[in-house]
Amino acid sequence: SYELTQPLSVSVALGQTATITCGGYNIGTKNVHWYQQQPGQAPVLVIYRDNNRPSGIPERFSGSNSRNTATLTISRAQAGDEADYYCQVTDGFTVVFGGGTKLTVL
Amino acid sequence: QVRLQESGPGLVKPSQTLSLTCIVSGDYISSGSYFWSWIRQPAGKGLEWIGRIFSSGSTNYNPSLRSRVTISVDTSKNQFSLNLTSTTAADTAVYYCAREGSSSRIEYWGQGILVTVSS
Repeated sequence: SYELTQPLSVSVALGQTATITCGGYNIGTKNVHWYQQQPGQAPVLVIYRDNNRPSGIPERFSGSNSRNTATLTISRAQAGDEADYYCQVTDGFTVVFGGGTKLTVL
Repeated sequence: QVRLQESGPGLVKPSQTLSLTCIVSGDYISSGSYFWSWIRQPAGKGLEWIGRIFSSGSTNYNPSLRSRVTISVDTSKNQFSLNLTSTTAADTAVYYCAREGSSSRIEYWGQGILVTVSS
């Protein structure tokens, strides 16, 4: 089965840029979506199809995807960005999530 | 505005069947444009996709759960359901229903319902 690998945790200083990776075999050939989950809440889609932002998501959120790694980038990190982030792809007829990354804003 | 609302028992005894329903508003399952999915999350852990159903009744399941899972749809009530058999404590989780859009991105989520498997 297809696996996605994310770092357990990432830290970023307030106002700096955070980078969260999602590794998978040939993930560059797949559509990657990213979700933000605040404590006690349902996840929210923040990036779809590698680098597209849904309406209402700040431009500070961006994504890229190449070869074996997809990346979520959060520029000018704010305290409100502190959350868990999950990547997601489809492998055949199966939806696969990464294990999640806890982003801490220092 | 699309809304999804999970409902069902919050407590299930081990070995029994976990049954949940998701009521959809603001969209029609019968429109045939989307997959309707179930996802779960044990406390303090990550998201696990359970499976999905199309309006036609076509389903896809997580291979690790396939032997115990059934997802069904009732387009007349605009709802879809999850049955998970032979439950154990490991099935204790928040269960989300969701709408899966283009490229399988999950655009809309229910608020989630905590189901505890315990005697």
